[in-house]
Amino acid sequence: DGGITQSPKYLFRKEGQNVTLSCEQNLNHDAMYWYRQDPGQGLRLIYYSQIVNDFQKGDIAEGYSVSREKKESFPLTVTSAQKNPTAFYLCASSIARAEQFFGPGTRLTVL
Amino acid sequence: SQKIEQNSEALNIQEGKTATLTCNYTNYSPAYLQWYRQDPGRGPVFLLLIRENEKEKRKERLKVTFDTTLKQSLFHITASQPADSATYLCALDIRGATNKLIFGTGTLLAVQP
Repeated sequence: DGGITQSPKYLFRKEGQNVTLSCEQNLNHDAMYWYRQDPGQGLRLIYYSQIVNDFQKGDIAEGYSVSREKKESFPLTVTSAQKNPTAFYLCASSIARAEQFFGPGTRLTVL
Repeated sequence: SQKIEQNSEALNIQEGKTATLTCNYTNYSPAYLQWYRQDPGRGPVFLLLIRENEKEKRKERLKVTFDTTLKQSLFHITASQPADSATYLCALDIRGATNKLIFGTGTLLAVQP
């Protein structure tokens, strides 16, 4: 059963704490993406990766970091440098120049 | 500056009518345009893709048009149903770039029974 999964569904972060959001896909897609969505807003690209061991900054990369050590996995770390991290985070994957498949999302709240 | 605009106001229509959603863009030359559906608290789901050399694309009750001269795409849902109520997002491919998409802010569609 192919798909893309994200965990956890809900995440709470204290001030000054780093947290890592998981994203896994078994669709054999080369490209993976992280987006942030704020209430009433569209999706904004944080980071994307087109191939293992390579990734590029999106439009709002400051305060975030990623790794792509395996084709299936693209974890996102929200660092303490991200001053306003409360948002809905979406991971997606795709083959070249085609539609993107999204995970169910992680809702991050700062306490 | 580059901009993608979708109807910021929610669209309310009666069941059975045709819903028409608009996506306008400026300062882009996309090779293709995509439409997604997003339900509250969930990830977007892909609906349709239309390329720059295609004027129209259909899938069941859905129809998309793409006018590169007007820099506009229209998304139609015919015989709308309450189950079609959701937010609809348009997304543009950036020509010459990688697999990046730029998303609009979405239009909330509410179909009244």
